[in-house]
Amino acid sequence: AQSVTQPDIHITVSEGASLELRCNYSYGATPYLFWYVQSPGQGLQLLLKYFSGDTLVQGIKGFEAEFKRSQSSFNLRKPSVHWSDAAEYFCAVGSNTGNQFYFGTGTSLTVIP
Amino acid sequence: NAGVTQTPKFQVLKTGQSMTLQCAQDMNHEYMSWYRQDPGMGLRLIHYSVGAGITDQGEVPNGYNVSRSTTEDFPLRLLSAAPSQTSVYFCASSYTNRYEQYFGPGTRLTVT
Repeated sequence: AQSVTQPDIHITVSEGASLELRCNYSYGATPYLFWYVQSPGQGLQLLLKYFSGDTLVQGIKGFEAEFKRSQSSFNLRKPSVHWSDAAEYFCAVGSNTGNQFYFGTGTSLTVIP
Repeated sequence: NAGVTQTPKFQVLKTGQSMTLQCAQDMNHEYMSWYRQDPGMGLRLIHYSVGAGITDQGEVPNGYNVSRSTTEDFPLRLLSAAPSQTSVYFCASSYTNRYEQYFGPGTRLTVT
């Protein structure tokens, strides 16, 4: 069965520091991969997605993610974090076997001044 | 183009009451789904639908019913509310389960 793992439940970074959020997936074929962000009390917003092609994908708000097939990973990065980036981040995978869309359990990001 | 809409935004129920959470989309998406979000649990799939007239269970279906009579609407019914169903509920839609899901704003449900 497909699965998505976000090993970090909570991360704290200083404003201006770089950020990397980890995501590992279990999937037999080339997955469709996504990162979503959820600000407190809000719905989920798509940050970026990977379907095929260039393994480094750019998203909104200055985020990027790199697909590494050999490591089954799709880590999210940002060079310089802003206080407004404090939120919950979810990695997800779309499957072409079965009918479900799979989410990780999320990583909560705190940004300190 | 409203996207995915959910009503109500907030709801308080007493144990044993029933209610329907409404979800509608205007993007002609075939795939629709319901999730619940609880602290530390991420998003858990309740039910999903791959098209009008076709629904299936997700990870946590007990206590919930769905139907899909039209492409646009996918209501979620709580048959007899329990405190364990206190949660935030999100509806989502997409072309298929493989592509990005578009989310509604959520319904915060409290069962006392």
